[in-house]
Amino acid sequence: KNQVEQSPQSLIILEGKNCTLQCNYTVSPFSNLRWYKQDTGRGPVSLTIMTFSENTKSNGRYTATLDADTKQSSLHITASQLSDSASYICVVSDGGGNKLTFGTGTQLKVEL
Amino acid sequence: EAGVAQSPRYKIIEKRQSVAFWCNPISGHATLYWYQQILGQGPKLLIQFQNNGVVDDSQLPKDRFSAERLKGVDSTLKIQPAKLEDSAVYLCASSPGRRPIISMGYTFGSGTRLTVV
Repeated sequence: KNQVEQSPQSLIILEGKNCTLQCNYTVSPFSNLRWYKQDTGRGPVSLTIMTFSENTKSNGRYTATLDADTKQSSLHITASQLSDSASYICVVSDGGGNKLTFGTGTQLKVEL
Repeated sequence: EAGVAQSPRYKIIEKRQSVAFWCNPISGHATLYWYQQILGQGPKLLIQFQNNGVVDDSQLPKDRFSAERLKGVDSTLKIQPAKLEDSAVYLCASSPGRRPIISMGYTFGSGTRLTVV
């Protein structure tokens, strides 16, 4: 069964600090992995997308890494801001690109 | 480019009542998805349309849920009768093609938050 597991489930950090969110998946065959940011009461917004051949992708202060051998991905947030408070969801697509498997998300809270 | 539009934003109903949600995808997007997101969980696909045809509705509780996309553009999702466990955010998404994660145009709407009391 295809699964995507994220850790930690929740995280509280101080403004300006860095943090790293983890995603492990068992989706096979693998096609792509995407990180989404979901603000409370809003739909998910795509941050990065990586294919099998890519091992890092940046979007401003967000940097995602992918290790297709160990089936792990991470999302690193640099110099966090209050507006980074949200749920971060890891989504993996299978080889056919038709099935998406969602993680349950990491709830990040950035405090002063 | 306008995003995926959903309405209403919020809805509170009593159990056993019926409710309908509406979604207008990005113009030209052939594929439309309805997801159910229960608090603290990731979205779960309910149904996927390709134009006006159903591609995948394997996780749609067909005894109470129905969806249509008659003209291949906007779509409605209906619940009748609603149960307490249907309380969730219902997300609509669209993409240009059938392979969502490959397409950078895969976009979610803001969702409809349903509370069943």
